[in-house]
Amino acid sequence: GAVVSQHPSWVICKSGTSVKIECRSLDFQATTMFWYRQFPKQSLMLMATSNEGSKATYEQGVEKDKFLINHASLTLSTLTVTSAHPEDSSFYICSAAWTKWLINEQFFGPGTRLTVL
Amino acid sequence: GQQVMQIPQYQHVQEGEDFTTYCNSSTTLSNIQWYKQRPGGHPVFLIQLVKSGEVKKQKRLTFQFGEAKKNSSLHITATQTTDVGTYFCAQNDNYGQNFVFGPGTRLSVLP
Repeated sequence: GAVVSQHPSWVICKSGTSVKIECRSLDFQATTMFWYRQFPKQSLMLMATSNEGSKATYEQGVEKDKFLINHASLTLSTLTVTSAHPEDSSFYICSAAWTKWLINEQFFGPGTRLTVL
Repeated sequence: GQQVMQIPQYQHVQEGEDFTTYCNSSTTLSNIQWYKQRPGGHPVFLIQLVKSGEVKKQKRLTFQFGEAKKNSSLHITATQTTDVGTYFCAQNDNYGQNFVFGPGTRLSVLP
């Protein structure tokens, strides 16, 4: 199956700093990439959807100035958590999707665990 | 907005017993997807259902899409310890862009 990587896998930072997370589709070109956050033992919550070369579409309640998404190519999307605070600590997962006929199948990255001190 | 419900929230079974999780939507769906997330891992795509009343099988897993396309189920026959994890259903809107995940059903299998 298709492989999606995320980097870093975990990061610890001080409050007020910014953190960038990269999501790459390694062996296919993703038409769309999604960013999720997941709290312990909870479901995935979609934060935003991004298509290459266009602005990301954010879900209601997600601050676009705080969670900056850049989708520079069909294989790379980045999420930058700006001025991180402890409440931003979470597990961030990206996924990449491509359209094969009528099927959209998402391939998930391994996730990035962010801890803000 | 879309609401996705899954029941049960937790299920503990003895190895060899069957298991079923149900996914219900407040709206008619264009399709539904199922994912499995092992403890500490990331979600892995299992299957997508598109047609009303569709039934698909993957070895011991049977997936069903309701006739009204508002509910779906995942049934595991004779569970094994490797089935442990959280099973999520996910639906997207009719534009095929945004995905909404259900809260998941956490399965524990006792050896």
